[in-house]
Formats: sequence, C-alpha cells, structure tokens
Amino acid sequence: AQSVTQLDSHVSVSEGTPVLLRCNYSSSYSPSLFWYVQHPNKGLQLLLKYTSAATLVKGINGFEAEFKKSETSFHLTKPSAHMSDAAEYFCVVKTASKLTFGTGTRLQVTL
Amino acid sequence: ETGVTQTPRHLVMGMTNKKSLKCEQHLGHNAMYWYKQSAKKPLELMFVYSLEERVENNSVPSRFSPECPNSSHLFLHLHTLQPEDSALYLCASSQTQASHSYEQYFGPGTRLTVT
Repeated sequence: AQSVTQLDSHVSVSEGTPVLLRCNYSSSYSPSLFWYVQHPNKGLQLLLKYTSAATLVKGINGFEAEFKKSETSFHLTKPSAHMSDAAEYFCVVKTASKLTFGTGTRLQVTL
Repeated sequence: ETGVTQTPRHLVMGMTNKKSLKCEQHLGHNAMYWYKQSAKKPLELMFVYSLEERVENNSVPSRFSPECPNSSHLFLHLHTLQPEDSALYLCASSQTQASHSYEQYFGPGTRLTVT
C-alpha cells in the first residue's frame, strides 16, 4: 500500500520570500515521486520528478525538491516566490504503474 | 497541436442527455487515463488504457463508458449522469514499458456541470 500526505492545504507567502510545500509519503517499495502544479482552469503540469537518482531534484520555474528516505519526505521549495507561482500543487507517489495523488496545497502569493 | 488536448473545455448537460468527452495525445505515448477532480477531494483515477486495452477500472458507475480506438485518442461517453458527477475531468497519457509507466502528462480538462 502507498499513500501521500500533503501537510498543508493552504500556504500563503509574500512575493520574494521562500516557498516550502511539505509532502510525506509511505510506500512498501522504492517509489518515484513527483510534484505537479495546476493553475486555475488548467490541467496538471509536471514540475519535477525523483526516480532514485540524485536526491536533490531541480524542476522548472526555479522549484526543487529533496528526497529524504529517513524522513519519508519530498518537500518542494523555491528560494523566492513570484506572483505567477500562485496555484495548486500536488505531490504524487508512484510504484510500478500505480499513482497516488495528495490532496493538494494551494499556494497564495501576496504583494 | 502538442501535448494532450481535451474537448470540449466546458460542458453543461442535463441528467437525461448523452454526451462524450474527447482526449487526444500528440506525444507518442501508449497509455491513456481518465481522472475525475472534484473540489476538496484527491484526484480519482477512473480508467486506464494501455496499448488500447483497458487495464484498470476503479469501480466507476456504468453511466461512464470509456473508449480507446487507438493509442492517440480516448473518449468518455456520458449518459444519465447525476449532479454529483459535476467535476473537472482530466485526461493524461504516459509511456509504459514492461508494466512500468513513466510520468503522466495531463490535458487541460473538461469542466462538466450536470443540471
């Protein structure tokens, strides 16, 4: 069995400040992990993925995530938030062909 | 066109209507998926097609009927829907090889409202 927990349903940051979106997972197997972003009225866009190579993964738009096996975490970070980062973010765990989505974290960016 | 496209983008239908959602992928993938996204709920996988054969059906009501005529096209036929079926329906595609699938690429979704 596998599961993913996004610890915050809503995060608000000021423009130019760091972003941290938290994700914990459980899996019986070595998982692949993904972060997707969904802007209003749009589909999900892949931000980055971890597939058992480097534990620090860099994605698009300045985002990165670190896989920490000991903590079963895959938190998403960005050094400096931009207004265009306001969206919903989904953490996803995958083993073989099964994907499990988190419930999402809505990121609000204020001036 | 590139990526995954879905039509229509918005659909309003009565409970007695019959309509179809269409998805097309231009990525050369061999697996396609239908998801339902409702407010405040995790994404729900509805159907999976791999190499044009249905490999997973997560106990979806029979009023939803998928069709995959080829590896690039996926349809979701709808009939006698209920108001609780109102949601964003997302299509995705991926490459699969030896029971292992790679990351999925999503379309923009169809916003369905059942009146």
